[in-house]
Amino acid sequence: KAGVTQTPRYLIKTRGQQVTLSCSPISGHRSVSWYQQTPGQGLQFLFEYFSETQRNKGNFPGRFSGRQFSNSRSEMNVSTLELGDSALYLCASSLYQANTEAFFGQGTRLTVV
Amino acid sequence: KNEVEQSPQNLTAQEGEFITINCSYSVGISALHWLQQHPGGGIVSLFMLSSGKKKHGRLIATINIQEKHSSLHITASHPRDSAVYICAVHNTDKLIFGTGTRLQVFP
Repeated sequence: KAGVTQTPRYLIKTRGQQVTLSCSPISGHRSVSWYQQTPGQGLQFLFEYFSETQRNKGNFPGRFSGRQFSNSRSEMNVSTLELGDSALYLCASSLYQANTEAFFGQGTRLTVV
Repeated sequence: KNEVEQSPQNLTAQEGEFITINCSYSVGISALHWLQQHPGGGIVSLFMLSSGKKKHGRLIATINIQEKHSSLHITASHPRDSAVYICAVHNTDKLIFGTGTRLQVFP
């Protein structure tokens, strides 16, 4: 059974640009959550999608958005990138809702220059 | 004060030692995860528990819901156990993470 796949693994962008990250959950999983990890703030919750609906959102500005498709694949988008957005972005998939065992992807390391 | 506190922040051990990492939380939870993160970033879920104790190989996780405390134990530690161990709690459909414990096991 394939694990959670995140693409791309590494990304370098310039301030002001936008970026889209992709997460393909484990087959059959309907919940996808996104997290940001930085050295200063650690792991922080961005948002969670279940059956194409955003069910929960963390304390991040509106520049951070996401969506989930009918096949449960999810994308997150960050617009008007800032240097502080440089981080490891992780997604996790769960069978039903977030309150079940979570399986994490390898992450996308975003560097904003 | 963070909602999820881990201790210690850093831990160094000799191969074979028994290791304990602690996690305390201040919010209501429905479950608690112990996660392992190796250099390079990938996270592996070690345990999810909501009561009692779970064991997998040399790893044991316990939780005391009344005291809002969990521990992760590693018996007979090995250099390949070197990683960051993160405690995370389920709170209203999201995970809240501790700051992690960096473990280094030397031969």
